[in-house]
Amino acid sequence: DQQVKQNSPSLSVQEGRISILNCDYTNSMFDYFLWYKKYPAEGPTFLISISSIKDKNEDGRFTVFLNKSAKHLSLHIVPSQPGDSAVYFCAASVGPGDDKIIFGKGTRLHILP
Amino acid sequence: KAGVTQTPRYLIKTRGQQVTLSCSPISGHRSVSWYQQTPGQGLQFLFEYFSETQRNKGNFPGRFSGRQFSNSRSEMNVSTLELGDSALYLCASSSLQGGPEAFFGQGTRLTVV
Repeated sequence: DQQVKQNSPSLSVQEGRISILNCDYTNSMFDYFLWYKKYPAEGPTFLISISSIKDKNEDGRFTVFLNKSAKHLSLHIVPSQPGDSAVYFCAASVGPGDDKIIFGKGTRLHILP
Repeated sequence: KAGVTQTPRYLIKTRGQQVTLSCSPISGHRSVSWYQQTPGQGLQFLFEYFSETQRNKGNFPGRFSGRQFSNSRSEMNVSTLELGDSALYLCASSSLQGGPEAFFGQGTRLTVV
C-alpha cells in the first residue's frame, strides 16, 4: 500500500519553461511534506518542504503547493534549467517529532535544450 | 560541518552471506534512518534510530537489522543475503530541532551475486 504516490515516472520540459511535478498521498495524518532531488550516484538532497498549515511555500525558483482536501501537492520549478535534470522524490511525515519519512517512487525530470 | 558518511561505497557479496553497512551522521544529529532504493520502488524506509533506540520500523523481514551507538553512528546488518537485496542503501540523519528534513549520505551500493 503506497501512501505517497508519484504517478509520472518521467517528465520532459523545455529549458526556460515551467516544470510541474505532482504527488498524491493517502494518509490524512501526514503533517509535513518534502521534496528531494537526486542525481545519479548521489544521495537525495533536500529541496523544499511545506507544513500542512500552509498551502504554498516558495524558495527561489521552487514553489510547493499543497491541497489538503485533495491530498495533493505539486512542485513548480520556473524557469527550468539544465541542472534541474534529476529524479525528484516527494515525501511525507506525520510531523516534526516523527522521522519516519515516507517517499514516493520518484519522477525523473529531463530538461530539454 | 561534515555531511553524512556511509561506508563502504560499494560492496559485492554472495547469496547467503551477511553484510554490515556503516553510517556516521552529521555532528549533533541524533536521529539516523535507513532506506533501500531499488529501480522502480523509490526509497523504502527500513528503520530509524534515535538515542540508540529503534523508534520506527518499515516493512522489511527480520534479516534486516540495525543498531545505533552512543556517538549516534549507526550500522545496518543484512543476514542471509538474497539476490533481491541488491540495492542502494541510504542513510539519513536529522536533528529534530531543525525540523524533519533528513540529510542523506551518498549510499552504499550492495550487489548480491
